[in-house]
Amino acid sequence: KQEVTQIPAALSVPEGENLVLNCSFTDSAIYNLQWFRQDPGKGLTSLLLIQSSQREQTSGRLNASLDKSSGRSTLYIAASQPGDSATYLCAVSLYYGGATNKLIFGTGTLLAVQP
Amino acid sequence: DAGVIQSPRHEVTEMGQEVTLRCKPISGHNSLFWYRQTMMRGLELLIYFNNNVPIDDSGMPEDRFSAKMPNASFSTLKIQPSEPRDSAVYFCASSLRVTGANVLTFGAGSRLTVL
Repeated sequence: KQEVTQIPAALSVPEGENLVLNCSFTDSAIYNLQWFRQDPGKGLTSLLLIQSSQREQTSGRLNASLDKSSGRSTLYIAASQPGDSATYLCAVSLYYGGATNKLIFGTGTLLAVQP
Repeated sequence: DAGVIQSPRHEVTEMGQEVTLRCKPISGHNSLFWYRQTMMRGLELLIYFNNNVPIDDSGMPEDRFSAKMPNASFSTLKIQPSEPRDSAVYFCASSLRVTGANVLTFGAGSRLTVL
């Protein structure tokens, strides 16, 4: 059974700091891995998607890496801002009879960026 | 497009009552997912549909839960009878299933409280 774990569960940093969020999964047979952001009382917004054949993806100040063999992914946020404060979730997409949309979510990291 | 639309946003009901949650996916999307989020268990996939057909309902907790998708633009998740342990935020998400990346768009969620 695929299990996805995120460390740390919560993180507080001063504005401007670079930070790394960690995600680990137990079964390397994934199709892709996604990082999401969730603001309080709202739904999830997809930030980055890494295919299993890729090593990393970048979008602005965000960079996500994937090491499938070791079952790990990291989300790097450069020059953090108070507006980055949210819960960050990673999710792995499983092979499922040709459909690849079944996402297993991690427990999330609650990030607070202090001004 | 207005995104994935869920209703109601908040529902408070008493144990034993029937609850119906509604979802309108993004026009043109052919996959629809129902997730449940709680503090204890995080985000769990309940059921997902492809082209209005249920593909995987293994996450539906018990027979009290049922989901339908009568057409491409509407889905319901029904709980009958409801119990306090059903209290959670229920998310609907949709995507366009094509070969390769499948990015889900989430609705804002329906917060259910069962007293």
